[in-house]
Amino acid sequence: DAGITQSPRHKVTETGTPVTLRCHQTENHRYMYWYRQDPGHGLRLIHYSYGVKDTDKGEVSDGYSVSRSKTEDFLLTLESATSSQTSVYFCAISQGWPNYGYTFGSGTRLTVV
Amino acid sequence: QQQVKQSPQSLIVQKGGISIINCAYENTAFDYFPWYQQFPGKGPALLIAIRPDVSEKKEGRFTISFNKSAKQFSLHIMDSQPGDSATYFCAASRGNQGGKLIFGQGTELSVKP
Repeated sequence: DAGITQSPRHKVTETGTPVTLRCHQTENHRYMYWYRQDPGHGLRLIHYSYGVKDTDKGEVSDGYSVSRSKTEDFLLTLESATSSQTSVYFCAISQGWPNYGYTFGSGTRLTVV
Repeated sequence: QQQVKQSPQSLIVQKGGISIINCAYENTAFDYFPWYQQFPGKGPALLIAIRPDVSEKKEGRFTISFNKSAKQFSLHIMDSQPGDSATYFCAASRGNQGGKLIFGQGTELSVKP
């Protein structure tokens, strides 16, 4: 998707290992978000950021941490991956008020074995 | 806690028919209600959005109907086409919460030729 890239696109990892997913934007948007998508649950917010070094928890934040040291990069870390964290992870960006519309990345499919 | 409930989970419509997807929300402080469209292997993309000061918004074949008193909103796709086959998500947010969106569970739409 234009202006936002996620890496890697696919990853298989073992239970108990740490994993970091990267989101990079070129739009200079203030807000960045990490969601996970699972069948029957829609998209659920993990963490979000409203500026450099300013982050907050979403509804499913347990087992995840984030960092934002630059406007353009938002990292999601699974501290010790579990099978329940197998999911598709999406990063999104937003300008905020009054333009709340999100632009989503293409997603990272993570499998924890 | 599911604050946005979406129905149906899946929908099959004949080409040329009308597709209707419904959402209900709980939090009366929500002030932004978008719909997203997602094709397989892609991130969701903003389709159309409405604010609670209007009851209807139309963009091409897509219309949002909003009922503030009932705390419900719906997406109508007129003259549905096979290319509309995708997963649709409704969402809601509050302006003073950084625009973070709460998503419904999603509806998988299939338009038969």
